[in-house]
Amino acid sequence: GAGVSQTPSNKVTEKGKYVELRCDPISGHTALYWYRQSLGQGPEFLIYFQGTGAADDSGLPNDRFFAVRPEGSVSTLKIQRTERGDSAVYLCASSSSGGPGDEQFFGPGTRLTVL
Amino acid sequence: QQQVKQSPQSLIVQKGGISIINCAYENTAFDYFPWYQQFPGKGPALLIAIRPDVSEKKEGRFTISFNKSAKQFSLHIMDSQPGDSATYFCAATRTGNQFYFGTGTSLTVIP
Repeated sequence: GAGVSQTPSNKVTEKGKYVELRCDPISGHTALYWYRQSLGQGPEFLIYFQGTGAADDSGLPNDRFFAVRPEGSVSTLKIQRTERGDSAVYLCASSSSGGPGDEQFFGPGTRLTVL
Repeated sequence: QQQVKQSPQSLIVQKGGISIINCAYENTAFDYFPWYQQFPGKGPALLIAIRPDVSEKKEGRFTISFNKSAKQFSLHIMDSQPGDSATYFCAATRTGNQFYFGTGTSLTVIP
């Protein structure tokens, strides 16, 4: 079956603009994670969904960042008033239940560039 | 505060040699320690993982060694191949919580 997909693959925007990044998890996976990966760094946790609800949003850096998963499948990461420091690759991952030892399957990421 | 510290930052190994990457963690509540492999333009992919109730896990050419008392774990790649050239990340988590990733090791295997 299909893996985790993310769209767009690349997004270039201007400082101050609003962007939406989409994640399609593996069908049937209830757990969904968003990470941010800066150049030369490991993925940095942003938010974790279990079903439709955000189980842990402690990684969101500030209130400009928001994520939703209204039907428990597709998720959208929303960034308001983008800043140059938001430039990074945004990764999405899903796992079957988020339980012990559940493998997280990562998407290819969306590369966001804020000019 | 970096929850997981990884070294070295980069590693060059001859084909057939052993690649060793080390990680150290702070939180003794962590109970799952995966290693991920990432190729350019791709998301990380799970390579091998271990729980703290065992000291070693081997899958093919890949072995994790785990030292609970020292709060350290390492990845050993035996008979390294050019196709192993990638960036490797260690991670740690407490079940049901967020994953903490290391800063990555860029491995180059020279033919």
